[in-house]
Amino acid sequence: DTEVTQTPKHLVMGMTNKKSLKCEQHMGHRAMYWYKQKAKKPPELMFVYSYEKLSINESVPSRFSPECPNSSLLNLHLHALQPEDSALYLCASSQIHGQRYEQYFGPGTRLTVT
Amino acid sequence: GQQVMQIPQYQHVQEGEDFTTYCNSSTTLSNIQWYKQRPGGHPVFLIQLVKSGEVKKQKRLTFQFGEAKKNSSLHITATQTTDVGTYFCAGGTGFQKLVFGTGTRLLVSP
Repeated sequence: DTEVTQTPKHLVMGMTNKKSLKCEQHMGHRAMYWYKQKAKKPPELMFVYSYEKLSINESVPSRFSPECPNSSLLNLHLHALQPEDSALYLCASSQIHGQRYEQYFGPGTRLTVT
Repeated sequence: GQQVMQIPQYQHVQEGEDFTTYCNSSTTLSNIQWYKQRPGGHPVFLIQLVKSGEVKKQKRLTFQFGEAKKNSSLHITATQTTDVGTYFCAGGTGFQKLVFGTGTRLLVSP
């Protein structure tokens, strides 16, 4: 199984709402990632978890809160977002083998903040 | 911060023509990866290059990593309509971190 799943596919939320994005993989990968992608732009790294521990936070605002409950699951908790946070949020996973860490992406959650 | 630029930003070719996208990093990379993203889709891993001067082929696709490990290229021979999408290089800097290039959008007309 080489699939990364993400739910929901689409999400519309107001600036005062709290919501969560979910990601799951069953490839035995021990690194998981959150990216943000705006239209016609490359994915931008937000967070990296290695062995269920947060290893990279790319200076992301605290209104985004990641969580890795176990090696298969990754959540992104959203609170008090701004309209400019509207984007495609991509989850990815990879092995951790020295330099070899090709990433497998999920289909993404398209988020609209109103 | 580190930047990875790609040229061209956009290319429109007739089916059967060749296509090349170039990727340049502001810093030396530990590895370079290439991804393809179809319209409305998500990035899909194509290949990873690790060694200086490395060249790899996948059917009609040829990937090259520069000697200084700061640049790379992807060449597609005889494009097909199924090649449509945005091609991203992604520079590896260690510790599972990738910096994606700006991307090249390819359109192929039949």
